[in-house]
Amino acid sequence: DVKVTQSSRYLVKRTGEKVFLECVQDMDHENMFWYRQDPGLGLRLIYFSYDVKMKEKGDIPEGYSVSREKKERFSLILESASTNQTSMYLCASSSPGREAGNEQFFGPGTRLTVL
Amino acid sequence: AQSVTQLDSQVPVFEEAPVELRCNYSSSVSVYLFWYVQYPNQGLQLLLKYLSGSTLVKGINGFEAEFNKSQTSFHLRKPSVHISDTAEYFCAVSFWGSASKIIFGSGTRLSIRP
Repeated sequence: DVKVTQSSRYLVKRTGEKVFLECVQDMDHENMFWYRQDPGLGLRLIYFSYDVKMKEKGDIPEGYSVSREKKERFSLILESASTNQTSMYLCASSSPGREAGNEQFFGPGTRLTVL
Repeated sequence: AQSVTQLDSQVPVFEEAPVELRCNYSSSVSVYLFWYVQYPNQGLQLLLKYLSGSTLVKGINGFEAEFNKSQTSFHLRKPSVHISDTAEYFCAVSFWGSASKIIFGSGTRLSIRP
């Protein structure tokens, strides 16, 4: 079974702090994704990575950066957390190719509260 | 433009009643289609997927969905729901040549009344 883990289930930070959210997958997937989920807005893509050290902006990259130094690990960084970044953050991974249809496998999520 | 629409944000049903959650998409290229389920305070779990072949797809927990290319729909159905089906359901579409990205609908919250 594919397993995607996230470093924290719940996190509380203060405005202006630097925040790191870590995601690790164990199935050798090339692609990894960070989403945020807010009520009524569904999942919105922040950044994705299709290879080590490669990254591409998603729909809402402002205020975020990412790092992918190893294939299995994809980090989301909030350089200076703000209250409007309070949200549920979901990490996912996938393997490219028509056999899988780009199916994504999700971690349990990190609920971040910025005070 | 490519998009996916879930027509109902909330669907209340009684236990043991049938349910249909609607999903429509817009695309000029071929698609892969998914339904994911999210239980409270958890990540998303794949319910079923359509890649090719038979348009009727069966998934976990007794759910099924039918791909209708002419109506660009992929509605999710279950003949008899249980309290444990209370969750949020997301329709998702991946497009050929989309560089592995998936577009998610805004979600439908299914609430089951005893």
